[in-house]
Amino acid sequence: GQQVMQIPQYQHVQEGEDFTTYCNSSTTLSNIQWYKQRPGGHPVFLIQLVKSGEVKKQKRLTFQFGEAKKNSSLHITATQTTDVGTYFCAGPPWGGSNYKLTFGKGTLLTVNP
Amino acid sequence: EAGVAQSPRYKIIEKRQSVAFWCNPISGHATLYWYQQILGQGPKLLIQFQNNGVVDDSQLPKDRFSAERLKGVDSTLKIQPAKLEDSAVYLCASSPELGGELFFGEGSRLTVL
Repeated sequence: GQQVMQIPQYQHVQEGEDFTTYCNSSTTLSNIQWYKQRPGGHPVFLIQLVKSGEVKKQKRLTFQFGEAKKNSSLHITATQTTDVGTYFCAGPPWGGSNYKLTFGKGTLLTVNP
Repeated sequence: EAGVAQSPRYKIIEKRQSVAFWCNPISGHATLYWYQQILGQGPKLLIQFQNNGVVDDSQLPKDRFSAERLKGVDSTLKIQPAKLEDSAVYLCASSPELGGELFFGEGSRLTVL
């Protein structure tokens, strides 16, 4: 079945440093979604990318969807303590009839003030 | 707009006992998901409903887990009998469309002793 891998598993940065997490799917995706889960909280939707090569920005966050629609990245510029949490990517397989959303294991970001 | 409601928030049971979780999705959302999230891992899809029909339950341990969504609104997830490895947070999510953004509830944390 479809597998979604994320690297790194953990990332610790000093406040103000940049951060990037990568997501790779074993199958072509219909879309890629990113979620953030704060410690003790539930996943919260950040963004959805649909088009091949698409790039979207949300303030300090930049999201990219690969040309082959199998990989994606999330880049945070100048991290802040409010960025702490686990970032998950998820995507339904292209051409599937059920749009099953498979999540990666996430990247846990910690920020030292 | 009211979010996804889940109950109970916490449940502690002994192995071989049974437990049930309830979810009320956002009004008008046709798609409902139950995910299992073990500490330190990404959410794992257990079952996906579209209205009151099952779209995917390929990862649901059907010998002990069952779920229903009567009338296409509320849903319940039952575990009987529970095992130690069922200790996890059970997340309910709803979406206005298949493959679209997921809105998660706060989750039900299950501890099996």
